Amino acid sequence: EIVLTQSPGTLSLSPGERAALSCRSSRSVGTYLAWYQHKPGQSPRLLIYDISHRAAGIPGRFSGSGSGTDFTLTISSLEPEDFAIYYCQERSNWPSFTFGPGTRVDIK
Amino acid sequence: EQLVESGGGLVQPGGSLKLSCRASRFTFTSYWMTWVRQAPGKGLEWLANIRQDGTEQYYADSVKGRFTVSRDNAENSVYLHMDNLRADDTALYYCARNGWYHDLWGQGTLVTVSS
Repeated sequence: EIVLTQSPGTLSLSPGERAALSCRSSRSVGTYLAWYQHKPGQSPRLLIYDISHRAAGIPGRFSGSGSGTDFTLTISSLEPEDFAIYYCQERSNWPSFTFGPGTRVDIK
Repeated sequence: EQLVESGGGLVQPGGSLKLSCRASRFTFTSYWMTWVRQAPGKGLEWLANIRQDGTEQYYADSVKGRFTVSRDNAENSVYLHMDNLRADDTALYYCARNGWYHDLWGQGTLVTVSS
């Protein structure tokens, strides 16, 4: 069973700042890594799939990178609507999935 | 494109509940479907997947043997039948479309397990 670890647990930043969120897996997940955004009272939203591909309608300030076991979601310049919880997810054992524990991005 | 869950509610420990998720405005039969939950104060947890034709189902260890996922393609619906519910099954339950990843989600239905 793959375990995903996300860091930091909470990131406190101001609008306009750059955010870098980390996701590490206990073993290689190949390219099968996605990122979701989840805001209170809303459904989760797919941001990035297969490490670096933006989902439909996702702004260009969101980007994904990494390989093997280390992955990063970068938000180049935080907008007020970006303050949320972000989860990574792997599907290397599809059709089973694993979510990471999440990183909360708070307004500083 | 829309998913709408229903069927949540208050149930006693050891009880059963069946959740429904109705899809609209996309070709339901083209997709695997998924159930995911979020317990209060916790993160997202993948629970179960079902193949387009309903012939394959996969479950997280935490629900295997207690939860059953099914679908009715004529009704554009996917279901989650939950038995032997426990307090730690209290959560908001989402259905999601599974096009390799979960690119469409419902709004969730709340299940509370308490006496």
